[in-house]
Amino acid sequence: DAGVTQSPTHLIKTRGQQVTLRCSPKSGHDTVSWYQQALGQGPQFIFQYYEEEERQRGNFPDRFSGHQFPNYSSELNVNALLLGDSALYLCASSWGGGGGTEAFFGQGTRLTVV
Amino acid sequence: RKEVEQDPGPFNVPEGATVAFNCTYSNSASQSFFWYRQDCRKEPKLLMSVYSSGNEDGRFTAQLNRASQYISLLIRDSKLSDSATYLCVVKAGGYQKVTFGTGTKLQVIP
Repeated sequence: DAGVTQSPTHLIKTRGQQVTLRCSPKSGHDTVSWYQQALGQGPQFIFQYYEEEERQRGNFPDRFSGHQFPNYSSELNVNALLLGDSALYLCASSWGGGGGTEAFFGQGTRLTVV
Repeated sequence: RKEVEQDPGPFNVPEGATVAFNCTYSNSASQSFFWYRQDCRKEPKLLMSVYSSGNEDGRFTAQLNRASQYISLLIRDSKLSDSATYLCVVKAGGYQKVTFGTGTKLQVIP
């Protein structure tokens, strides 16, 4: 049973560029959440997708957008990259809109903006 | 006040010691609580859910105090392999908005 998989694992981008990160949820999960984790900090919630819709959003600008596909996989897009966007981006999957169920995390994508 | 607060540590304890972490939350409507463990440069992994009645899993005990709005994690007989950052997670709201604490770093020393 495959867990949560993210791609790519590492990425280097230039300030002002755009990036797309991908996530495949754990088998049987239909909800995907994205987090940004800066060095030495806890993960910060970006948004959650359920039934192909953005259900919740954290305090992130519109430069951060996403999508969920019918197979429940998801993408995170970040436009006009800033140096401060450098972080580990984590995807977590769960079942049924999140609810009280625990989330399982992918290994993350480490994004460096130069 | 932060929604979820943890003492960042580090907590440096000898092997075999008992150590406890607390996590306070500000939203009284919070409904679900978890402890995650994160090793350096790795993804967080669920350690245990926290139930109202408290729960234990081997050397780990989690408790919830709704009146004072905090959860705790107790680790008995610390092992070197327990060295990690422990993240408190709180879920609240209709769609269970998830908030992580900044984590408490534990270093178990030989």
